[in-house]
Amino acid sequence: NAGVTQTPKFQVLKTGQSMTLQCAQDMNHEYMSWYRQDPGMGLRLIHYSVGAGITDQGEVPNGYNVSRSTTEDFPLRLLSAAPSQTSVYFCASSYRVGPYEAFFGQGTRLTVV
Amino acid sequence: AQKVTQAQTEISVVEKEDVTLDCVYETRDTTYYLFWYKQPPSGELVFLIRRNSFDEQNEISGRYSWNFQKSTSSFNFTITASQVVDSAVYFCALSKKAAGNKLTFGGGTRVLVKP
Repeated sequence: NAGVTQTPKFQVLKTGQSMTLQCAQDMNHEYMSWYRQDPGMGLRLIHYSVGAGITDQGEVPNGYNVSRSTTEDFPLRLLSAAPSQTSVYFCASSYRVGPYEAFFGQGTRLTVV
Repeated sequence: AQKVTQAQTEISVVEKEDVTLDCVYETRDTTYYLFWYKQPPSGELVFLIRRNSFDEQNEISGRYSWNFQKSTSSFNFTITASQVVDSAVYFCALSKKAAGNKLTFGGGTRVLVKP
């Protein structure tokens, strides 16, 4: 049982490049989310989804795009990378109906130069 | 809007000492969930505990214990007889009912346990 799988684990981008962070879960969770972690700021919600075909913005959505065509996958797209997007990105999933704790992937460390 | 405050940014203790991590939250919801996660140096996030707003019972799990006080909007976490393996960043988080994918995190408290 893999849980939540994120790829890649590390990535270096040049300013202006685009890329997609992949996230897949095999627990049949309805809910999926993307967070970014910056020093001293905890984790902040970027985008979330309550099911296939349904996504919404979180606290810090600018510069990111998401879609959810299947229950299992929830990719995060950086449209035009900026140094301010240097961060550690976490994907999470949880059940819609209890238990409500989120299960997190291993994280993707992204550096934009 | 929801808010979680972890006022302690870093705590350093010697092994076998007890350590208490503070968490204060703000929410207008009457039903909500509180969580603690551990982030060891390897970077993953490990779920420790969930508590709903209607359950104010304290909980103990091995060397870990949690004190939930609705009257002061606090959900504090104590590690008893700390060990080097407890060295990590600990996050307190809050979500509305049935919104486990929308967590509001505190800034985290780094715990360093020295041998």
